[in-house]
Amino acid sequence: GAVVSQHPSWVICKSGTSVKIECRSLDFQATTMFWYRQFPKQSLMLMATSNEGSKATYEQGVEKDKFLINHASLTLSTLTVTSAHPEDSSFYICGARTLGSNQPQHFGDGTRLSIL
Amino acid sequence: AQTVTQSQPEMSVQEAETVTLSCTYDTSESNYYLFWYKQPPSRQMILVIRQEAYKQQNATENRFSVNFQKAAKSFSLKISDSQLGDTAMYFCAFMPPFGGYGGSQGNLIFGKGTKLSVKP
Repeated sequence: GAVVSQHPSWVICKSGTSVKIECRSLDFQATTMFWYRQFPKQSLMLMATSNEGSKATYEQGVEKDKFLINHASLTLSTLTVTSAHPEDSSFYICGARTLGSNQPQHFGDGTRLSIL
Repeated sequence: AQTVTQSQPEMSVQEAETVTLSCTYDTSESNYYLFWYKQPPSRQMILVIRQEAYKQQNATENRFSVNFQKAAKSFSLKISDSQLGDTAMYFCAFMPPFGGYGGSQGNLIFGKGTKLSVKP
């Protein structure tokens, strides 16, 4: 089946640093990628949607300058949390799918981000 | 706007018993897709079962089956012969048709989840 690889799985860093999370589709073309944030005991909250080669579309309330998304190829999307602060600590999950397909997204295993 | 409602924040079931998780949704679309995802403590999102709205037959996957009531906009998940490994958060999700409401690109709309505990 379709595999999505997300790295790193867990990262701890100091406040003020920037953190990059990678999401790769290993065996299919991910024309569309989704980035989610999940707080403890809550559901997945969509942050943004990106199509390969285009700017990401951010959901209301998500700071695009804070959460930079790049989707430069059909197999790779990155989420960079810039100047991270403790309130950015969360679980981030990417989803990927192929344009026009009726298949649902395939999810990465998520990244646990802890900002000290 | 589409919404997905899971009215049971937590449920528990004895091992080997059957449990049903509820999900209702709201949409003006006639064709769409519904899913149940399982998220164990490892936090992986695992697709349990899917249903296409234009199919009247309820989907089944081994011990998992759904009761899809399109007119009532209800999509419940039944887990038979519950196992300890079924302990997880379960999310109901709605996917509009591609190009449908809001120019959907296949985004998923999730319910708030139901925490299921299977007790030995």
